[in-house]
Amino acid sequence: EVQLVESGGGVVQPGGSLRLSCAASGFTFNSFEMNWLRQTPGKRLEWISYISFSGTTVYYADSVKGRFSVSRDNAKNSLFLQMNSLRVDDTALYYCARFGDGYSGGLFDSWGQGTLVTVSS
Amino acid sequence: EIVLTQSPATLSLSPGERATLSCRASQSVDSYLAWYQQKPGQAPRLLIYDASKRATGIPARFSGSGSGTDFSLTISSLEPEDFAVYYCQQRSNWPPLTFGGGTKVEIK
Repeated sequence: EVQLVESGGGVVQPGGSLRLSCAASGFTFNSFEMNWLRQTPGKRLEWISYISFSGTTVYYADSVKGRFSVSRDNAKNSLFLQMNSLRVDDTALYYCARFGDGYSGGLFDSWGQGTLVTVSS
Repeated sequence: EIVLTQSPATLSLSPGERATLSCRASQSVDSYLAWYQQKPGQAPRLLIYDASKRATGIPARFSGSGSGTDFSLTISSLEPEDFAVYYCQQRSNWPPLTFGGGTKVEIK
């Protein structure tokens, strides 16, 4: 069974940092492109970052570019999101999700349950 | 960035009724439009991809149609478990991948 389990969320002050982790199991992690997405308190869904199989290619949404950094450790079946210079509008439930196999990219076929990040003074 | 606009925001229907949800793109996405279902406390689940193809395990009562800028998701006869929020998502031109604002299908 495919499992994605996020961790690392919490309450942080504006300007602070957090590092999110996503532990993957039940599939060959290094064969899948991975992503981070978030869902705001108003339930809006936003894709924020992509990382290729080996980690050599990464993309970011404009809203987080220059502040967030995605990485992966294929030996440990783990995905990470380093979040710096956090702002109040970064408050959201953060999901890791994989691109589905055989779709040629861009479709999320498995998601974690999310980790909540709250940015507040 | 391609903006997706979903309508209506809320659809109030009874079990057994037909639901039709709309998604409009700010520019053509060809057929690269997907639909996801989200129930309270759960992550989104892929229902439809490439406008009309059902994902693995999705019942036949769910169907999608459209191309270019106008798309629809139809649930032919609502089951109790279908009351949820539905999002459209495009993968035609990315990054960024973008989602619509969602349509909530609620029990009338």
